[in-house]
Amino acid sequence: QQQVKQSPQSLIVQKGGISIINCAYENTAFDYFPWYQQFPGKGPALLIAIRPDVSEKKEGRFTISFNKSAKQFSLHIMDSQPGDSATYFCAASKGGNDYKLSFGAGTTVTVRA
Amino acid sequence: DAGITQSPRHKVTETGTPVTLRCHQTENHRYMYWYRQDPGHGLRLIHYSYGVKDTDKGEVSDGYSVSRSKTEDFLLTLESATSSQTSVYFCAISRTGHMNTEAFFGQGTRLTVV
Repeated sequence: QQQVKQSPQSLIVQKGGISIINCAYENTAFDYFPWYQQFPGKGPALLIAIRPDVSEKKEGRFTISFNKSAKQFSLHIMDSQPGDSATYFCAASKGGNDYKLSFGAGTTVTVRA
Repeated sequence: DAGITQSPRHKVTETGTPVTLRCHQTENHRYMYWYRQDPGHGLRLIHYSYGVKDTDKGEVSDGYSVSRSKTEDFLLTLESATSSQTSVYFCAISRTGHMNTEAFFGQGTRLTVV
């Protein structure tokens, strides 16, 4: 049973558009929410992460929005570029020294030039 | 890329044969992890290690065993491979087990069990 549900499975966006990926969780013990980016043939790499004590975190064109009461968080990619075409995974882990990550199923983003 | 090397990168094996995948790191990180990646499931944790000879099970550990005799090496063994273990396997490392520590992933091993 997947502890983090991610949608959509895939999306296509025009260059310059906004990509939005949503994730939801049930386990209220989760206390750390990273997003990983994966290019074909490569391992995932950390993109951006958030803790539930903030509602939004922005790094460049990437923004995480977090809604603790709804147990939902999302990734927004602003001004999407062809180089952003990749698979994105949301994840969650519990607090303390338990760094086991629970991943969503992934979203494949294609940015059309 | 973080200093993580997975070997082999690709392997085809027959059902019922033993298979060992190797993860080697040069970062001297304490924590090491094995994940499998399957379409529709994302990445799922198989086993992890929090030090030499210290390992624990993840969410999909059945059919897998691990060993860590040195800080730099973490081995994943499929004792008797089955077709359901066809997957892409990723090793990851992290400096500490604290939740804010970034995990670095290797490039993966594509295993096909025929």
